[in-house]
Amino acid sequence: AQSVTQLGSHVSVSEGALVLLRCNYSSSVPPYLFWYVQYPNQGLQLLLKYTTGATLVKGINGFEAEFKKSETSFHLTKPSAHMSDAAEYFCAVSDNRDDKIIFGKGTRLHILP
Amino acid sequence: GAVVSQHPSRVICKSGTSVKIECRSLDFQATTMFWYRQFPKQSLMLMATSNEGSKATYEQGVEKDKFLINHASLTLSTLTVTSAHPEDSSFYICSATNRVQETQYFGPGTRLLVL
Repeated sequence: AQSVTQLGSHVSVSEGALVLLRCNYSSSVPPYLFWYVQYPNQGLQLLLKYTTGATLVKGINGFEAEFKKSETSFHLTKPSAHMSDAAEYFCAVSDNRDDKIIFGKGTRLHILP
Repeated sequence: GAVVSQHPSRVICKSGTSVKIECRSLDFQATTMFWYRQFPKQSLMLMATSNEGSKATYEQGVEKDKFLINHASLTLSTLTVTSAHPEDSSFYICSATNRVQETQYFGPGTRLLVL
């Protein structure tokens, strides 16, 4: 079975500061990993995904994540936070055999002025 | 623009009635679609896998007679919440896999409120 653990249900950073959202996964097979963002009362938007190949993945809005197999981690980062980054972020894992995506509990990102 | 749509976006119904939610893939065919529910301030929980032309596969703990899924075409899956009760109030989100792009797209969600 696959699972995702997101450390910190709430993270606050100042505008312009580094954003770091932590995600650890568990998977018995090579995982596919995702980060999604959800704005209030809206659906999910894919930020980035890792399938195979390069372990540093660049996504939209300046976000990137690095797949570290040895640490079973897929942390999301952005060098400089913007007010518009305030949202709920979900890390997710799939083994791609059946396309099922398992989500973490989410981290709400707050941007302080 | 959106590649997966849901209808309605919001629905309020009385307890005991049934509600149908549609999920459509707009620019691609999807043999597989997924239905999730999300309670306030919680994560998405996978309910079932909708398979075109065959029965849906339900996750453990999800009542198949309560949540009827029909995937009658390659672009449409429906979720019917039968005899809805207040505890069924939630945000229901569907997703569809575009196998050509190897990407799964999520719909905008349907907010159900059962009074």
